[in-house]
Amino acid sequence: EAQVTQNPRYLITVTGKKLTVTCSQNMNHEYMSWYRQDPGLGLRQIYYSMNVEVTDKGDVPEGYKVSRKEKRNFPLILESPSPNQTSLYFCASSLLAGGKDTQYFGPGTRLTVL
Amino acid sequence: EDKVVQSPLSLVVHEGDTVTLNCSYEVTNFRSLLWYKQEKKAPTFLFMLTSSGIEKKSGRLSSILDKKELFSILNITATQTGDSAVYLCAGAPQGGSEKLVFGKGTKLTVNP
Repeated sequence: EAQVTQNPRYLITVTGKKLTVTCSQNMNHEYMSWYRQDPGLGLRQIYYSMNVEVTDKGDVPEGYKVSRKEKRNFPLILESPSPNQTSLYFCASSLLAGGKDTQYFGPGTRLTVL
Repeated sequence: EDKVVQSPLSLVVHEGDTVTLNCSYEVTNFRSLLWYKQEKKAPTFLFMLTSSGIEKKSGRLSSILDKKELFSILNITATQTGDSAVYLCAGAPQGGSEKLVFGKGTKLTVNP
């Protein structure tokens, strides 16, 4: 089944404790992206990747890192999480860049930083 | 700064009603506009629009883009309770940046 998977689905952590949210797609998509969704602010893009070893900042990249060492995986790293990073996070992928093709979203990761 | 504005923010209707959701955009070097439906989980793709005036249709849903006036509408006819969701639209630029800019969404509630 074609899908985007994220882990963990729920995470409660404390300020400053490094964490990684994994994202994997099995559709051989080139384009992958991370979003955060907050009430009243909608979906905002954090980082995106056009292909392996090619990443770029979205609208709200501060406090986040990403890597794209393999085509299927696009982990989101929070080196020192802070409470303002409490949010619902979505990973997405598409065969072509975001505006040329359908994006498939993962199930979401609800992160709480205390 | 690129932006996408959706209206209304919230809408409550009865089953069988027809609704129109609006999306206006200001996106530099605009390429396409996308509509998504989000229930209590991840957004799912509805439509991608790139050309003005060409209606895209899927069952009771349809959408059209006006590149002159910089807006799009999403129509849902004969609404059902299963249409209750947040509907998101996003603008995509071409060339250089591949960022998508999302609106805040319209929350549609369809009551039986």
